[in-house]
Amino acid sequence: QSVLTQPPSVSTAPGQKVNISCSGSTSNVGSNYVSWYQQLPGTAPKLLIYDNNKRPSGIPDRFSGSKSGTSATLGITGLQTGDEADYYCGTWDSSLRAGVFGGGTKLTVL
Amino acid sequence: QVQLQESGPKLVKFSETLSLTCTVSSGSISSTSHYWGWIRQPPGKGLEWIGSIYYSGSTSYNTSLKSRVTISVDTSKNYFSLKLSSVTAADTAVYYCASAIRVVTNLHHWGQGILVTVSS
Repeated sequence: QSVLTQPPSVSTAPGQKVNISCSGSTSNVGSNYVSWYQQLPGTAPKLLIYDNNKRPSGIPDRFSGSKSGTSATLGITGLQTGDEADYYCGTWDSSLRAGVFGGGTKLTVL
Repeated sequence: QVQLQESGPKLVKFSETLSLTCTVSSGSISSTSHYWGWIRQPPGKGLEWIGSIYYSGSTSYNTSLKSRVTISVDTSKNYFSLKLSSVTAADTAVYYCASAIRVVTNLHHWGQGILVTVSS
């Protein structure tokens, strides 16, 4: 059971947009920066969003992040078949004094 | 940009100690803005944060693994290491090393990962 809760899967059509949620508590999402990762099949995770809403260089602005209270959201617009991947949120938990990840969300672009 | 490469035995026997090294290139492990971490992923499952270290040697560990984990850093050789003792089949996973910038969970760069299998 992961400390952060994500929907196991989401699906949508090419060209559409999707939001992936990440729910936590006051000791993690509510008080620390959230990051988001994309993991394509058979590859290492890649940072998409850090500090809740910042994109590393090279990440297109189709990807966005937001946070409100104890929940964070990854938004992806203009979906492409190449966006099919597992997406993970991560943050620090001040009570556990450790990093924590969500269980991951499998995105299918039909 | 920072590049990381995991190395170590891919097969470890039950109850023994798993030892991995992460070599850092195109960057200094003594950087004051970086943290260095280990994350694992059992086959078909999600990511699990194992722990992290700062160049000074300050560490943080996953509470569920804390009694078995040691992460260390060698600034002279520009690498950091993971030791996980008393392994069981549940420790079979792809182990990734990663670097975080400014915030320990902002994992900007990742190694390619190494599959470690625990067997009897």
